[in-house]
Amino acid sequence: DGGITQSPKYLFRKEGQNVTLSCEQNLNHDAMYWYRQDPGQGLRLIYYSQIVNDFQKGDIAEGYSVSREKKESFPLTVTSAQKNPTAFYLCASSSPQRRGGTDTQYFGPGTRLTVL
Amino acid sequence: GQSLEQPSEVTAVEGAIVQINCTYQTSGFYGLSWYQQHDGGAPTFLSYNALDGLEETGRFSSFLSRSDSYGYLLLQELQMKDSASYFCAVVLNSNYQLIWGAGTKLIIKP
Repeated sequence: DGGITQSPKYLFRKEGQNVTLSCEQNLNHDAMYWYRQDPGQGLRLIYYSQIVNDFQKGDIAEGYSVSREKKESFPLTVTSAQKNPTAFYLCASSSPQRRGGTDTQYFGPGTRLTVL
Repeated sequence: GQSLEQPSEVTAVEGAIVQINCTYQTSGFYGLSWYQQHDGGAPTFLSYNALDGLEETGRFSSFLSRSDSYGYLLLQELQMKDSASYFCAVVLNSNYQLIWGAGTKLIIKP
């Protein structure tokens, strides 16, 4: 079955530690995204990548880093520089359509990160 | 800047019809998308309007009017399982990013 997997589902971290969240897709999508969602809020874009070995900052990139060495994988590292990292993190992928076509994003199940 | 406005919460009765509005201030976008998210889950795609007018998918319909900078999601024959948050989002034609509204929590009462 094609889809997006994220691991782990729940993650606990001590203050001052870096942690890496995994995101893998087998949909053969070019574009991948990381979002952060706080309780009762919408999605805010952290980083996105439209092609392997290239990525761009979203609206709230400070304190986060990513890599895109393979088309299938887009891991997110939450560094100790992120002041308030407790949140629900969602990874998504899409196959961008040009000339006005729909750009449906498919989401993984998310990782809930709690900083202790 | 780019922004989308939605009501934070809407309440409706099972079996009824409800409309969730989305107004936007953005320039240069391909279309308006709607996503559904149940508590604790991931968003799932519902519909997309590239052109002005109504798109129908089963019990759900979505509408876009670019001249009014406005769209809405219409849910008919509401079921309890439709209780969720609904997000509108636009696809920017500058970089193909999705810009998201803050979401509308739909509460359905029996």
